[in-house]
Amino acid sequence: EADIYQTPRYLVIGTGKKITLECSQTMGHDKMYWYQQDPGMELHLIHYSYGVNSTEKGDLSSESTVSRIRTEHFPLTLESARPSHTSQYLCASSPRISQETQYFGPGTRLLVL
Amino acid sequence: RKEVEQDPGPFNVPEGATVAFNCTYSNSASQSFFWYRQDCRKEPKLLMSVYSSGNEDGRFTAQLNRASQYISLLIRDSKLSDSATYLCVVNEADSWGKLQFGAGTQVVVTP
Repeated sequence: EADIYQTPRYLVIGTGKKITLECSQTMGHDKMYWYQQDPGMELHLIHYSYGVNSTEKGDLSSESTVSRIRTEHFPLTLESARPSHTSQYLCASSPRISQETQYFGPGTRLLVL
Repeated sequence: RKEVEQDPGPFNVPEGATVAFNCTYSNSASQSFFWYRQDCRKEPKLLMSVYSSGNEDGRFTAQLNRASQYISLLIRDSKLSDSATYLCVVNEADSWGKLQFGAGTQVVVTP
């Protein structure tokens, strides 16, 4: 069982609010990822990191930002939430050396009113 | 064109029966292949990696066909608990550590 945690699990918030979605893993994995998934649709990579102080934008354009100050922590921030940000956000991590298997957290379901 | 394509289903399978489905991928340079399972409103979980020679894990068998660029998953003796969406996942050949996820094939096992 993967040790990767996300908080909050559910969030309902009004338009214009700033939010931070937390993701932490205790496996010492170097690589971490944020995906966005709408119901019945595929996962879209929005941010990834290969280690501390490394962050890259993913394939899906996103207004969110991320930081990687500690290996175990990879928070995602939305400065001004909009209804179009309503989705499920999944965090994942993967060991650095060769292995590409990704382990997912339980996700955060975000609803922006 | 999507990098990874799957039949969305649903595949309705009687308990105890066998079900098989494929996914196709577009990048011939991809080297790593996986099947993940995703239950409704849950996170994806690794079901199995797919190796060139094909591999089996209990009731699950995965095959890779590089020439035709598809992978397959076969589930034998289906259980009610096998009901889920199965995601086909392929690495991005030119980008270390990034994966491409298919939209998933839904399997519904009925009593």
